[in-house]
Amino acid sequence: EVQLVQSGAEVKKPGQPLKISCRTSGYIFGDYWIAWVRQMPGKGLEWLGMIYPADSDTRYSPSFQGQVTITVDNSITTAYLQWSSLEASDNAMYFCARHSGSGSFSGDYWGQGTQVIVSS
Amino acid sequence: DIQMTQTPSSLSASVGDRVSITCRASQGISRFLNWYQQKPGKAPKLLVYSASTLQGGVPSRFSGSGSGTDFTLTISSLQPEDFATYFCQQTYYTPWTFGQGTKVDVK
Repeated sequence: EVQLVQSGAEVKKPGQPLKISCRTSGYIFGDYWIAWVRQMPGKGLEWLGMIYPADSDTRYSPSFQGQVTITVDNSITTAYLQWSSLEASDNAMYFCARHSGSGSFSGDYWGQGTQVIVSS
Repeated sequence: DIQMTQTPSSLSASVGDRVSITCRASQGISRFLNWYQQKPGKAPKLLVYSASTLQGGVPSRFSGSGSGTDFTLTISSLQPEDFATYFCQQTYYTPWTFGQGTKVDVK
């Protein structure tokens, strides 16, 4: 069974670093892109970027380039999204999603989401 | 970036109604168009990929159509569990952008 399990909710102060995780199982990790998606309170979905674990090819949305970093640890089939210095505007729910490596590139499995609260 | 414009942003409907949601891309995206359903507090769920292919396990009352720049998601007979927000997403060029969403609620 394919599963993407995300780390738990985080409460941080502006300026603090943060790394959240997306632990995968049930499929060949290197064969699928892992994308990260932001959803601010009451708003729509925003695509931050994605990584292909087989070769660590990483693509970012220009809107988020330099603001976040996406990495993987192939030894534990886990993807990460990290910030070096959080801002209040990072307050949101973050989802990871598995996307096929060819064909439609659709996001067929999603993590349950990680709530990030940034407040002074 | 490719802009995805969804219409309407919300609609009110009754059980049994036929509902259609439109998504327009700012440039041609062939058939690299996916539709997702999201319920409050939950992750999005893939309904349709490649514009018209139903994801496994998705009821046949859902259907997708279109190619190029104009796409439609149709629910042939709305059921109580279909009240939710629907998003389109293009996966033709990165960044893979989403439409702003269409909330379907009870009339």
